[in-house]
Amino acid sequence: QVQLVQSGAEVKKPGASVKVSCKASGYTFTSYGISWVRQAPGQGLEWMGWISAYNGNTNYAQKLQGRVTMTTDTSTSTAYMELRSLRSDDTAVYYCAKAGSVSWYDYWGQGTLVTVSS
Amino acid sequence: DIQMTQSPSSLSASVGDRVTITCRASLGVRNYLAWYQQRPGKVPKLLIYAASTLHSGVPSRFSGSSSGTDFTLTISSLQPEDVATYYCQKYDDAPLTFGGGTKVEIK
Repeated sequence: QVQLVQSGAEVKKPGASVKVSCKASGYTFTSYGISWVRQAPGQGLEWMGWISAYNGNTNYAQKLQGRVTMTTDTSTSTAYMELRSLRSDDTAVYYCAKAGSVSWYDYWGQGTLVTVSS
Repeated sequence: DIQMTQSPSSLSASVGDRVTITCRASLGVRNYLAWYQQRPGKVPKLLIYAASTLHSGVPSRFSGSSSGTDFTLTISSLQPEDVATYYCQKYDDAPLTFGGGTKVEIK
């Protein structure tokens, strides 16, 4: 069965970086991509971007351009999302989701809480 | 970028009621529209894709429809387990924007 297992909660100071992992199993990793979605406390879902696990092509939300990097390691079927220059409004639960380049999200990770606080 | 506007932002209905949630795209997204359910404290779950195709395992009381740039999610008979926030998402092209969400409660 398809599973996406994310890394654990993080607490970071403003200005620091965070790298969240998402380990996939139960499907051919390189046949799909991974999208990242975040949700600030009490707020809605925000699309952050997508990476192809086939060729590493990426597409990032404009507001995060320059601060976010998405990568994959096909040897371990793991996707990573790194966010730099963290601010308090980056505090959120970060989700990964299995996704084609143009598709809905049928499988999601369990979420990773990233708290940015001094 | 195309904006996705959901209405209402919240609603309260009785068990057994028919509930309708609307999502309007600022420009055409063809039928590249998905609906998700997020129960309190849980991970979002896919309900519908391609505007009207029910995802595997989703109860048949959920349905989706479209008319131009307007999309509708209908719960034919509201159940207690349907208490959740519902989100639409366009996936025709990046950015894959979500609507602002509709919180559904039981009266």
